[in-house]
Amino acid sequence: GAGVSQSPSNKVTEKGKDVELRCDPISGHTALYWYRQRLGQGLEFLIYFQGNSAPDKSGLPSDRFSAERTGESVSTLTIQRTQQEDSAVYLCASSSGRAGTQYFGPGTRLLVL
Amino acid sequence: GQQVMQIPQYQHVQEGEDFTTYCNSSTTLSNIQWYKQRPGGHPVFLIQLVKSGEVKKQKRLTFQFGEAKKNSSLHITATQTTDVGTYFCAGPGYSTLTFGKGTMLLVSP
Repeated sequence: GAGVSQSPSNKVTEKGKDVELRCDPISGHTALYWYRQRLGQGLEFLIYFQGNSAPDKSGLPSDRFSAERTGESVSTLTIQRTQQEDSAVYLCASSSGRAGTQYFGPGTRLLVL
Repeated sequence: GQQVMQIPQYQHVQEGEDFTTYCNSSTTLSNIQWYKQRPGGHPVFLIQLVKSGEVKKQKRLTFQFGEAKKNSSLHITATQTTDVGTYFCAGPGYSTLTFGKGTMLLVSP
């Protein structure tokens, strides 16, 4: 595709519900990243996928967070039993290789009430 | 682990004034990248520096990579309101890029 796409663009949920966020990377990009950005803050690394290698999950804040990626295509980030502190923008990025230039999607704005 | 620090955290200038943000890494970097995030937007790649002492220009923006490849700077000459946003530097870490926390630039007309 022309760029990284994410869906939904906005999500409002109630505390305790599960949410699933989707990322479509640029075609051919082997690396895919998820970040969390709270209002006015920097980028908080969550997870990194590189091809068929085991993902780097070192940034996931708790076991309520998980992510999957099918091959070198779509990725989903799942947050179980959402909490109010999960409210943030979740950004996805892809690149052609490890530590390469990252191309970001528009993000999903999550609000947990 | 590797740390990338940026200063200042925030700067407010009058249109026409210059602006500089500094980036320092705890380790030597093979390259450094700069990104800009407009308010409400997502980070967008600006440039990559690779060589020691490298200087690159993009119109009013000047990017510099330090001789020791542990620091970098972004200088904007005669800021405009379109320069508003947060500027991030990023360097290769163990498995991915390590981003600095960013410098937020506000420009008043």
